[in-house]
Amino acid sequence: AQKVTQAQTEISVVEKEDVTLDCVYETRDTTYYLFWYKQPPSGELVFLIRRNSFDEQNEISGRYSWNFQKSTSSFNFTITASQVVDSAVYFCALSEANNDMRFGAGTRLTVKP
Amino acid sequence: NAGVTQTPKFQVLKTGQSMTLQCAQDMNHEYMSWYRQDPGMGLRLIHYSVGAGITDQGEVPNGYNVSRSTTEDFPLRLLSAAPSQTSVYFCASSYLGGTMNTEAFFGQGTRLTVV
Repeated sequence: AQKVTQAQTEISVVEKEDVTLDCVYETRDTTYYLFWYKQPPSGELVFLIRRNSFDEQNEISGRYSWNFQKSTSSFNFTITASQVVDSAVYFCALSEANNDMRFGAGTRLTVKP
Repeated sequence: NAGVTQTPKFQVLKTGQSMTLQCAQDMNHEYMSWYRQDPGMGLRLIHYSVGAGITDQGEVPNGYNVSRSTTEDFPLRLLSAAPSQTSVYFCASSYLGGTMNTEAFFGQGTRLTVV
């Protein structure tokens, strides 16, 4: 079965600092999908990105960027110039071909003004 | 667009009571699932369904039942609530699109307390 590890339980930074959230995954499938979700204090789950196993191209969306490395089974998420509104719990997730999505334990990011 | 609708948003049960958490989606998604979220454990898959009439167990199915009589609805039943089932429950749906696993759309969550 697939597994996702987010070793960082909590991270605290000061506004404008860059921060990287780590995600390491395990799977035996060659076809799989990786996701990041944001859970702000209001509790809903907000989709951020999906990446399939055949596309190792890094992605940038505004202040957000993602680094996918199959060689190290990692899918790390970087926030550049963090803002207070980035404070949330961030989840990394892995889905194999059967669509079952398994989540990591989450990283709570606190951005202080 | 309603997306994924979960009811109720909050519920308090006594140990041994039964209840059903409702989940409905209006996106014609084949795949639906239920997760529970507990502190420090992320979201764990309870049950899932790949279409009407088909359900299967996830990581933590014990104490929960599901059924899928229509594409739109995927209720989660607690037959005899236990304090260990105190949690936040999320329903999700997604398109079952062959090689393109799409994002999962989540409901707003149900905060359940069993006393």
